[in-house]
Amino acid sequence: GIQVEQSPPDLILQEGANSTLRCNFSDSVNNLQWFHQNPWGQLINLFYIPSGTKQNGRLSATTVATERYSLLYISSSQTTDSGVYFCAVEQWGGSNYKLTFGKGTLLTVNP
Amino acid sequence: EADIYQTPRYLVIGTGKKITLECSQTMGHDKMYWYQQDPGMELHLIHYSYGVNSTEKGDLSSESTVSRIRTEHFPLTLESARPSHTSQYLCASSRSSYNEQFFGPGTRLTVL
Repeated sequence: GIQVEQSPPDLILQEGANSTLRCNFSDSVNNLQWFHQNPWGQLINLFYIPSGTKQNGRLSATTVATERYSLLYISSSQTTDSGVYFCAVEQWGGSNYKLTFGKGTLLTVNP
Repeated sequence: EADIYQTPRYLVIGTGKKITLECSQTMGHDKMYWYQQDPGMELHLIHYSYGVNSTEKGDLSSESTVSRIRTEHFPLTLESARPSHTSQYLCASSRSSYNEQFFGPGTRLTVL
């Protein structure tokens, strides 16, 4: 099956700093999503981005499908950005609509 | 308001009990999923459904079972809970046209 690797595994920032999270995947994909898991365990949809670039406020994401990676940018980080960020992909040609998750990046933003 | 609901949010039970975790969605989605997540770890798919009367096992072996009698409802049942079932269980749904998945708030299960 498809492999999903996220880096870095852990990241500690001061409030106001910028950061880039990376997601590498081992095969072509139909679907790529970025999620933020809050301290209560809920997964919040950030981006549905199988290719191209999207922006939503202080967050933006870019997926370069031909090179099999995606980047999540967080600018002017806030303490509420803390949590785990997951990348998840659906393998191209798959008929099961299944998402494979990476292990996540644990982000801590200190005041 | 379109949403995904899971109940209970937290459950502590003894070994051997039968439990059902509820998941309902008002998103109008055809596909539904159950994922299992241990603390600090990635999510693993344990069951999914394309629609009414359709259920499939996921990538991670699970002793749980599911049913899909109504489009909006996808309950998960453990016939005899064990401490190894202690985990967080997350329900998700998506449309047939494309697979952007949306998640419920999760159920944290502890089996003593």
